[in-house]
Amino acid sequence: AQSVAQPEDQVNVAEGNPLTVKCTYSVSGNPYLFWYVQYPNRGLQFLLKYITGDNLVKGSYGFEAEFNKSQTSFHLKKPSALVSDSALYFCAVRPQRSNDYKLSFGAGTTVTVRA
Amino acid sequence: GAGVSQSPSNKVTEKGKDVELRCDPISGHTALYWYRQSLGQGLEFLIYFQGNSAPDKSGLPSDRFSAERTGGSVSTLTIQRTQQEDSAVYLCASSLDTGASYEQYFGPGTRLTVT
Repeated sequence: AQSVAQPEDQVNVAEGNPLTVKCTYSVSGNPYLFWYVQYPNRGLQFLLKYITGDNLVKGSYGFEAEFNKSQTSFHLKKPSALVSDSALYFCAVRPQRSNDYKLSFGAGTTVTVRA
Repeated sequence: GAGVSQSPSNKVTEKGKDVELRCDPISGHTALYWYRQSLGQGLEFLIYFQGNSAPDKSGLPSDRFSAERTGGSVSTLTIQRTQQEDSAVYLCASSLDTGASYEQYFGPGTRLTVT
């Protein structure tokens, strides 16, 4: 069975500073990896995904993530955080097997960006 | 365009009653997923539908939970004889297909409170 770990419940950064949200995964075979963001009382919004190819993936709102197979990690990064980036972030994984389509999510990391 | 919609947005019910939660996926999306988000369990997969194939019900927590998808579009999640532990936000998602490159788009969720 696949699983995702987000080791930090909360991340606090000052506006303009780099933001990193950590994610490690466990899956049988190769993974498909995703990041979603959730604002209060809203559903999850897709940020970016890793399917294959370049290990550095660029997504919405200036976010990027780096896939590291040897470390089984897929950390989310943003070079300069904004107050509006304050939200709950989820990492998710699914195996590349064709018959397993459900996503397994991490517990989420609450990001607070202070002005 | 229109995203995934869910109704009702909030539902308060008494223990032992049945509830129905509705999901309207994005038009043209063939895959539909239900997840549950609760404080103690994070985001859990419940069930998914893909076209005319038999649904994957592997995440349903008990036989009190069922779901159907009529005409390949709208889906209803039914919880019979609700229990307090069923209190959670129920999220619906849809994707163009179940292939790897098709990210899931989430609705705003239905917050269920069982009193």
